[in-house]
Amino acid sequence: ILNVEQSPQSLHVQEGDSTNFTCSFPSSNFYALHWYRWETAKSPEALFVMTLNGDEKKKGRISATLNTKEGYSYLYIKGSQPEDSATYLCAFPNFGNEKLTFGTGTRLTIIP
Amino acid sequence: EAQVTQNPRYLITVTGKKLTVTCSQNMNHEYMSWYRQDPGLGLRQIYYSMNVEVTDKGDVPEGYKVSRKEKRNFPLILESPSPNQTSLYFCASSFRYGPQSYEQYFGPGTRLTVT
Repeated sequence: ILNVEQSPQSLHVQEGDSTNFTCSFPSSNFYALHWYRWETAKSPEALFVMTLNGDEKKKGRISATLNTKEGYSYLYIKGSQPEDSATYLCAFPNFGNEKLTFGTGTRLTIIP
Repeated sequence: EAQVTQNPRYLITVTGKKLTVTCSQNMNHEYMSWYRQDPGLGLRQIYYSMNVEVTDKGDVPEGYKVSRKEKRNFPLILESPSPNQTSLYFCASSFRYGPQSYEQYFGPGTRLTVT
């Protein structure tokens, strides 16, 4: 089982502040890195699929960067809003066998 | 509307009584997968399928079976459920990994309780 780690486990952020959190993954045999957003009582929804070292993707106030050589990705949220409260998951497709390993997630709570 | 559906959404059953959770997608995706979500453990892959009649074990396959007779359907079978299979289950689908990696589309989840 591959080791995909996310930190911190949980985070409380004041509305309007910016924040970021980390996903660490094996740097060897890198294929891609997925980010998902999971709101309570709903299903996970894809945010980004990242494949290239140095890649940066953006969707509204949320962006992500990727460093495949050192095995980490950052997710940034700018000007947090209450609707950003969710668990953010990263997932690592295993090269060669098409398994998908998820991290345990960062639970973000925005304080109004 | 493009979607992944699961049934039932909620199920309470007893130890040993065989059950099937259905999963269907209408996006012509090759790849389908089952996950279970347990507190503190994240989403763990149970089984996945790369296409019709092609399935493989994920990280936690014990106690589960799957089949992929049609592209759109990927049922999860618990032949003899036990209390440690009490969990939240998600089905997901995507285009198959290959030159690119595609995001997963998740179903609404099935909350299973085995007493």
